[in-house]
Amino acid sequence: KAGVTQTPRYLIKTRGQQVTLSCSPISGHRSVSWYQQTPGQGLQFLFEYFSETQRNKGNFPGRFSGRQFSNSRSEMNVSTLELGDSALYLCASSLDGLALSYEQYFGPGTRLTVT
Amino acid sequence: QQPVQSPQAVILREGEDAVINCSSSKALYSVHWYRQKHGEAPVFLMILLKGGEQKGHEKISASFNEKKQQSSLYLTASQLSYSGTYFCGTEMPFIQGAQKLVFGQGTRLTINP
Repeated sequence: KAGVTQTPRYLIKTRGQQVTLSCSPISGHRSVSWYQQTPGQGLQFLFEYFSETQRNKGNFPGRFSGRQFSNSRSEMNVSTLELGDSALYLCASSLDGLALSYEQYFGPGTRLTVT
Repeated sequence: QQPVQSPQAVILREGEDAVINCSSSKALYSVHWYRQKHGEAPVFLMILLKGGEQKGHEKISASFNEKKQQSSLYLTASQLSYSGTYFCGTEMPFIQGAQKLVFGQGTRLTINP
């Protein structure tokens, strides 16, 4: 099976702009989670989507949003970018289920730099 | 509710053993372990679902002490390929709409020849 893919891999944006990141999960996986990884804060959970519905959400401002399509592909949007949003954004997919106790398969990430 | 990992970093020679600990202040439903090599995505190692459960994968094993709310990852006879940052992710008992994996800060493991 093909792994989790994320596009684009690298992105440079200016403060105040918005950005959309894309994630294609492993075929058959219905749950997609998004994480922000920074050297200072580590891996932080953004949100999880399952069957086109946001099921869980982390402690991030409303500027961070996402959605999931019927084919389980997911997008994440960040509006009004701030310098502190510079990070590696990882998406992970897993099999369906109410709990997250399935192994997650991570994509290679999108490296976002905000200048 | 971020779990605390210890040590933060460890340097070993090839063939030596290592233990990485992960502690939580909250009751846990499961503990996940991942390894991330520099510039790569985290890779799943194992999940521990029950208190006292131990799992193994080649020379990497882990235990989960539900009562103490902690898990330990054991790396035996370490190989160069074990180098990387190890993350534990903890999941609390099921609460509708509140399921999420909270990761520790990571333990950087360096294996030297």
